[in-house]
Amino acid sequence: EIVLTQSPGTLSLSPGERATLSCRASQSVSSSYLAWYQQKPGQAPRLLIYGASARATGLPDRFSGSGSGTDFTLTVSRLEPEDFAVYYCQQYGSSPYTFGQGTKLEIK
Amino acid sequence: QVQLQESGPGLVKPSQTLSLTCTVSGGSISSGIYYWTWIRQPAGKGLEWIGRISPSGTTNYGPSLESRVTISVDTSKNQFSLELTSVTAADTAVYYCARSRPWLNWFDPWGQGTLVTVSS
Repeated sequence: EIVLTQSPGTLSLSPGERATLSCRASQSVSSSYLAWYQQKPGQAPRLLIYGASARATGLPDRFSGSGSGTDFTLTVSRLEPEDFAVYYCQQYGSSPYTFGQGTKLEIK
Repeated sequence: QVQLQESGPGLVKPSQTLSLTCTVSGGSISSGIYYWTWIRQPAGKGLEWIGRISPSGTTNYGPSLESRVTISVDTSKNQFSLELTSVTAADTAVYYCARSRPWLNWFDPWGQGTLVTVSS
């Protein structure tokens, strides 16, 4: 089973700033089969990124994903108030399909 | 666009069976190109993939629950279901259904989730 470790656990930033979230895998994720989700309180997760860098339909281009192998990054270039939430990475390169423990992006 | 909606009891007694249904609207569950998935999230914790089913009924389960879980599909009702046996308080969670693809198992869209509490 691939274990995903996200860092930091909590990220405190202000609107307009740049956010960089990390996801590290315990072994290489085949074919960059990594996704990112955003979850707001009381809501289901929402797909943001798949294939490590492909944006989901309708996602603003301030969100970008990068990485390969064991190290992946989600970047939000200029934070908007609605971006403050919990973010999860997920690998789908091998079963069982596992998630990271999440990074909480909070307003500073 | 496709929407998913979970339904089922919100309270289950310990040692009993948790049963949930996911109703798919806006598209056919038997279209053949999607898999149908269950995921859960204990309060304040992360996400756990439970398993998935194809329209033809092929299933894959996560190892931690594999001995207790069954996922089935009813194409006539455009629904798929989850059964988890011998539940304990550790199974208390929000349960989500979601759609994925045979080789590209990212999850989109998701249902809104349903809270299941295991308590006597």
